[in-house]
Amino acid sequence: AQKVTQAQTEISVVEKEDVTLDCVYETRDTTYYLFWYKQPPSGELVFLIRRNSFDEQNEISGRYSWNFQKSTSSFNFTITASQVVDSAVYFCALSEDNDMRFGAGTRLTVKP
Amino acid sequence: GAGVSQSPRYKVAKRGQDVALRCDPISGHVSLFWYQQALGQGPEFLTYFQNEAQLDKSGLPSDRFFAERPEGSVSTLKIQRTQQEDSAVYLCASRPGTGLDTEAFFGQGTRLTVV
Repeated sequence: AQKVTQAQTEISVVEKEDVTLDCVYETRDTTYYLFWYKQPPSGELVFLIRRNSFDEQNEISGRYSWNFQKSTSSFNFTITASQVVDSAVYFCALSEDNDMRFGAGTRLTVKP
Repeated sequence: GAGVSQSPRYKVAKRGQDVALRCDPISGHVSLFWYQQALGQGPEFLTYFQNEAQLDKSGLPSDRFFAERPEGSVSTLKIQRTQQEDSAVYLCASRPGTGLDTEAFFGQGTRLTVV
């Protein structure tokens, strides 16, 4: 069963626009972790953020911010003032046990 | 090295051929994962090692897939009698410990093309 859903397959924005990438997850565990990874064209997955299930505080890191809402099982990612270098595929992931399950990813294209 | 290293980066195999993909995790990392990423898809979990013990192999798609980590460091993913549907990028990741809270560090992957 799909445990992480990223409904947006592709998003295209113009530079300096804000963009939000959606992530909805499914779990029966009370303890779990959520992650966002970026996959640039080079292919390597780059870690962006980790959030545990007991910490619903939103987080901001530079132009990046994350909104975690347990009530809706969502962990959305916003890029403010997007830049061309933000173009990549972004993956949301859920870690409940030893493994880490990924969504299908959202391809973000930022045009100059 | 400083990161997770995978080799080869690219592999072309004829259908029916056996292949072996290597992963060098970050030194000292206890946990090691293999993922399969088909074109346009997210990484799909294959198997997990804690040191040399393979604790979860539920994601291996068939008995043609076999993974090992005999000394708890380097791991090899072997695919026997490759088929076209095995074409994908195979990603390896390692974690320092066994807890859920640590990030996984990924290699650049091996792109396998079966012709």
